[in-house]
Amino acid sequence: DSGVTQTPKHLITATGQRVTLRCSPRSGDLSVYWYQQSLDQGLQFLIQYYNGEERAKGNILERFSAQQFPDLHSELNLSSLELGDSALYFCASSPGTSGSAYTDTQYFGPGTRLTVL
Amino acid sequence: GDSVTQMEGPVTLSEEAFLTINCTYTATGYPSLFWYVQYPGEGLQLLLKATKADDKGSNKGFEATYRKETTSFHLEKGSVQVSDSAVYFCALNTGNQFYFGTGTSLTVIP
Repeated sequence: DSGVTQTPKHLITATGQRVTLRCSPRSGDLSVYWYQQSLDQGLQFLIQYYNGEERAKGNILERFSAQQFPDLHSELNLSSLELGDSALYFCASSPGTSGSAYTDTQYFGPGTRLTVL
Repeated sequence: GDSVTQMEGPVTLSEEAFLTINCTYTATGYPSLFWYVQYPGEGLQLLLKATKADDKGSNKGFEATYRKETTSFHLEKGSVQVSDSAVYFCALNTGNQFYFGTGTSLTVIP
């Protein structure tokens, strides 16, 4: 158990809908990362937050957005869903303390499996 | 830019065979290097890490040495077991961002 929790575990929805995925980082971790894992594209980095602020952006679609709240949990919002958005979505967290960022280790949650029908 | 390149899979080995999964990286500065493992139906788990040149990370019989001269961090295990069947990811932390390789699927047959 990494200490990172994600809800829900599974989500089935229809095209055009909007969903919200939730992540609680390990206690004390300030950084949260979101990844999408699909069979054809591997593990894709979406976005990183550090202590409530966006820190880095990867291949995140405009239909997707995220935020990190004052209690450090994070939500990933996916809207106007398409069939191709079906994937595993992982959240990871790391301490993110300044001065040692390069030795930070990411700890992954169990993922949310999104199926768009 | 910074990146990680890892050996294409899938890899199939017999039990007790020697395993090598190659990983090379491109980065400026002094990154940290990681191997993560993903078992079927689960999230990625940290397998081992090395934070500076010549460091050797090891865990569960797996080893990898941070080679700055060859920009490599190859994963090795002397004798694989069926339970090692999983997908292995090499990763790089530059201090600004994490980069993951595409993953190498390993199947160990009895």
